[in-house]
Amino acid sequence: SAVISQKPSRDICQRGTSLTIQCQVDSQVTMMFWYRQQPGQSLTLIATANQGSEATYESGFVIDKFPISRPNLTFSTLTVSNMSPEDSSIYLCSATTSYGYTFGSGTRLTVV
Amino acid sequence: EDQVTQSPEALRLQEGESSSLNCSYTVSGLRGLFWYRQDPGKGPEFLFTLYSAGEEKEKERLKATLTKKESFLHITAPKPEDSATYLCAVQSIQGAQKLVFGQGTRLTINP
Repeated sequence: SAVISQKPSRDICQRGTSLTIQCQVDSQVTMMFWYRQQPGQSLTLIATANQGSEATYESGFVIDKFPISRPNLTFSTLTVSNMSPEDSSIYLCSATTSYGYTFGSGTRLTVV
Repeated sequence: EDQVTQSPEALRLQEGESSSLNCSYTVSGLRGLFWYRQDPGKGPEFLFTLYSAGEEKEKERLKATLTKKESFLHITAPKPEDSATYLCAVQSIQGAQKLVFGQGTRLTINP
């Protein structure tokens, strides 16, 4: 099955700053997604990263706060902008593969 | 709106004590129902996909079943290494390939 690598695995950031999370898949994939998992909660879809066009955002998430890039079929980035403590979460990248939906190991973000 | 409800929230079993986890769903046309296992500090690990009522899939001590309203994850003679959070998710025909997740069941197997 495809392997998804995320960087960084964790970070502690100051409020008001931005963090870019990278997601690399070891094979070309059609669909890539970004999820948020708040402490003790389940996964919530932030957006679908579309190759060659703007990302499609879910209700409650906006491009100015979570800009996403998808320059090719194996790579995507999610930026968490102007961070506040409420943005402290695990951010997960996912892609559709032959097994269905494969997930990266996540980025644990703490905003102080 | 698609919804997924998992029960119980947490379950503690003794090693060898079989049980079942429940996933109830409401979806506007089911494309697929997914079960994942998530260990602390890691991303979800794929277990099963079920597509139609009556379908069953097995993997080691786990067996997943599906009806038109719910899915069960049966765990037979569990071992401590089966301790994890088990997540259920649905994909609807109209959902543009996105998954909607339940809150998960946190399973602990005591030796």
